[in-house]
Formats: sequence, C-alpha cells, structure tokens
Amino acid sequence: KAGVTQTPRYLIKTRGQQVTLSCSPISGHRSVSWYQQTPGQGLQFLFEYFSETQRNKGNFPGRFSGRQFSNSRSEMNVSTLELGDSALYLCASSLTSGPNNEQFFGPGTRLTVL
Amino acid sequence: AQTVTQSQPEMSVQEAETVTLSCTYDTSESDYYLFWYKQPPSRQMILVIRQEAYKQQNATENRFSVNFQKAAKSFSLKISDSQLGDAAMYFCAYRSPGNQFYFGTGTSLTVIP
Repeated sequence: KAGVTQTPRYLIKTRGQQVTLSCSPISGHRSVSWYQQTPGQGLQFLFEYFSETQRNKGNFPGRFSGRQFSNSRSEMNVSTLELGDSALYLCASSLTSGPNNEQFFGPGTRLTVL
Repeated sequence: AQTVTQSQPEMSVQEAETVTLSCTYDTSESDYYLFWYKQPPSRQMILVIRQEAYKQQNATENRFSVNFQKAAKSFSLKISDSQLGDAAMYFCAYRSPGNQFYFGTGTSLTVIP
C-alpha cells in the first residue's frame, strides 16, 4: 500500500506570493492533518480535514487555509507569503478522525520564502 | 493550553546500551493520548509508541517502552539495546480528546558505535 505522498517536495517562492501544497493520503484514509515544522517553533498543528470538512484548526492566521476533496486528497494554501512561512510542511493521514487513530506522515514539502 | 516539554535537546547513547528520553506535559483533561515519534534524517515521521491515558499499563513495542506517570504528567521513552538506526530526532506528542496535536521541541539522539 502506498504511503502518504506530498507534492511538490521543494518549493521556492517570494514574499507576497501564494502557494498551494498537495497531499494524497494512504488509500482508504479519510482524515488528513497538516503541520508546520520550523527550527524555532518546532512542529505545530495547522488543521485537520475529515470527509471534506475541517474538524480542527490550530493557532495560525487566516492566510493559511485548506480543503479536502471527495477522494480525500487535501490541499493547503498560504496566501501573501511571509519570510517566516519558510518551513517544512508535513501532512499526515489516518483512517478516521479521533485521537486514537494512528497518523501516518508524508515526507513533507520544504517551502522557502525569499 | 496544553504544552509538551522535552528538556533534553540532545542525547547520546553507546550502541547496545539503554537510553531514556524525558517528556512532561500539561493538561487539565483526564482522557488523552500520548505518542513518541521518530524523525530520521530522511524526514519522514514514524510512530514509535503510543499510550492511552486511561490505561495504567505502560506501553511496550519491542525495544521501546514508556514510563507513564499520569499524576506527574510525565511520559518518558526508554530505548533498550540501542542500534545505529535509532539515531534520529524524537518527538513527544499529546493528543487531546478534541483531536488537537501538541508536540514537544524534540530530542536529537546520537548512537555511538
């Protein structure tokens, strides 16, 4: 069974631009969560989608948004990029939503904002 | 707000020896989940072990075991018979009943041959 895939793996953008990251969960998984990982802040939860609905949201500004499609694939969008948005963005999928579900992480998308 | 603290930014262990990574957390909830994740240099996060707060028995997965002290809000990871492949960043994580995830800042483990 294929793992979680994220595209693109690397991305370079300039301040003010917007970016869309994609995540394909493991086949059969309906929950997708997004995380931002930076050296200074560590791993921070962005949001979780389940059955095309946002279930939870972390403490991030409205510039960060996401969506989930009927095939469970998810996209994350960041508008008006800032230098501080440079980070590794991780996606994780699980069978369903709920704290007892094991999450499987993708390799991440490395975003650099210049 | 929930916080997860890993007080050891770096640890090292001799191959075949045992090492314990510390984690404390803060919560007012009584039912929650705790996890240890491993992130090797390749960057893919892997679940090492998990513990349900309502279970008093400490979780064990092969060479990995935890010492869960609910009253003290402590959740340490013990790695026995350390192997070179155990070298990685280890993250302690708390998952609330509302399904929000909180991670510690990580402990970088070096295994010395």
